[in-house]
Amino acid sequence: NAGVMQNPRHLVRRRGQEARLRCSPMKGHSHVYWYRQLPEEGLKFMVYLQKENIIDESGMPKERFSAEFPKEGPSILRIQQVVRGDSAAYFCASSPLGGWGNQPQHFGDGTRLSIL
Amino acid sequence: TQLLEQSPQFLSIQEGENLTVYCNSSSVFSSLQWYRQEPGEGPVLLVTVVTGGEVKKLKRLTFQFGDARKDSSLHITAAQPGDTGLYLCAGAVDQTGANNLFFGTGTRLTVIP
Repeated sequence: NAGVMQNPRHLVRRRGQEARLRCSPMKGHSHVYWYRQLPEEGLKFMVYLQKENIIDESGMPKERFSAEFPKEGPSILRIQQVVRGDSAAYFCASSPLGGWGNQPQHFGDGTRLSIL
Repeated sequence: TQLLEQSPQFLSIQEGENLTVYCNSSSVFSSLQWYRQEPGEGPVLLVTVVTGGEVKKLKRLTFQFGDARKDSSLHITAAQPGDTGLYLCAGAVDQTGANNLFFGTGTRLTVIP
């Protein structure tokens, strides 16, 4: 897991604040995926990005959530006006090539977001 | 919609026993991956299976992809405490307009020394 870096590891926000989660993919990887995990559940896909492009955002709520992966710098998952229901672990994964299934995804250790 | 059902949800066994974890769906998957996740960490990929009927072995772990590519199983021989963790299957759906990787709900395995 050391290759994909996520920060912060833990983030506490009050309702109505903004949360910014960062993900630096493994070296040489240009495809990034964001997932959300609630306690005792599997991961739920949110968004798939390539450098400067959103490939698939079908799992991301239309309101308050946005994601980007700029040409330079980490991928950012942004949650505006957070609510208690946003509390979860958010995982980022990266792969060297695009597509699904056949491309192994390497995961970071996640950001645990807690909303007070 | 949860496409992948894993069973059992929880499993507690003694060291040295064998076990099988199942991952079932009514959908056909182009490929399926198994991950193991430990508390406070991200999932770690164990194996990817892509061909119906495929069997892959990883030391004491045996993975099988169903002939119809709708289900998979993970068999662990002579379980050890180090096998303890959350086992997740994830499938890539071969469907026009869809481009998602779906995760199962997971099987939490505890191996008692």
